[in-house]
Amino acid sequence: QVHLVESGGGVVQPGGSLRLSCAASGFTFSSYGMYWVRQAPGKGLEWVAFIRYDGSDKYYRDSVKGRFTISRDTSKNTLFLQMNSLRAEDTAVYYCARELSTAAAGTFDYWGQGTLVTVSS
Amino acid sequence: DIQMTQSPSSLSASVGDRVTITCRASQGIGNYVAWFQQKPGKAPKSLIYAASTLQSGVPSKFSGSGSRTDFTLTISGLQPEDFATYYCQQYNSYPLTFGGGTKVEIK
Repeated sequence: QVHLVESGGGVVQPGGSLRLSCAASGFTFSSYGMYWVRQAPGKGLEWVAFIRYDGSDKYYRDSVKGRFTISRDTSKNTLFLQMNSLRAEDTAVYYCARELSTAAAGTFDYWGQGTLVTVSS
Repeated sequence: DIQMTQSPSSLSASVGDRVTITCRASQGIGNYVAWFQQKPGKAPKSLIYAASTLQSGVPSKFSGSGSRTDFTLTISGLQPEDFATYYCQQYNSYPLTFGGGTKVEIK
């Protein structure tokens, strides 16, 4: 049974940093691309970042490029999102999601429950 | 960036109704569209990919169609558990983008 559990959210001041984690279980983590998707309070879904199954490619939305870094630790079956220089507009619930398949790269099948990041002074 | 325009933004329907939600892409995207359901305070649930293929375990009352720029999600025989917000998503190219959502409410 696929299970994704995010952690690491919290309240941080503008300009601060946070590191989100997503613990994966129930599947071969090293075989799947992984994503971060966020949702600001009362708003829609917004893709943030992607990492290929082997870590060889990483993509980011423009608004987080140079500030956020996606990574993965296959030995720990864990996905990470290092967020630096945080802004108020980064306030959102952050979800990790598993890539459906390499044949359907770019979309998702399983999602975690999300972790809330609040950027406020 | 590819814009995904969903309509309507909300609708009211009764139990047993058939509803259709549309999503229009700002350029041709083949069949690289997915649909998601989200209930308040919960994570999204994946329903459909490749415009019309049901994710594993999703009931057949959900169906999707379309290609290139125009896509639809149809829900047949609405049940109380189907009242939620639905999102489309294109995965033809990065940045991946979502529609603004359609909230399906009880009439």
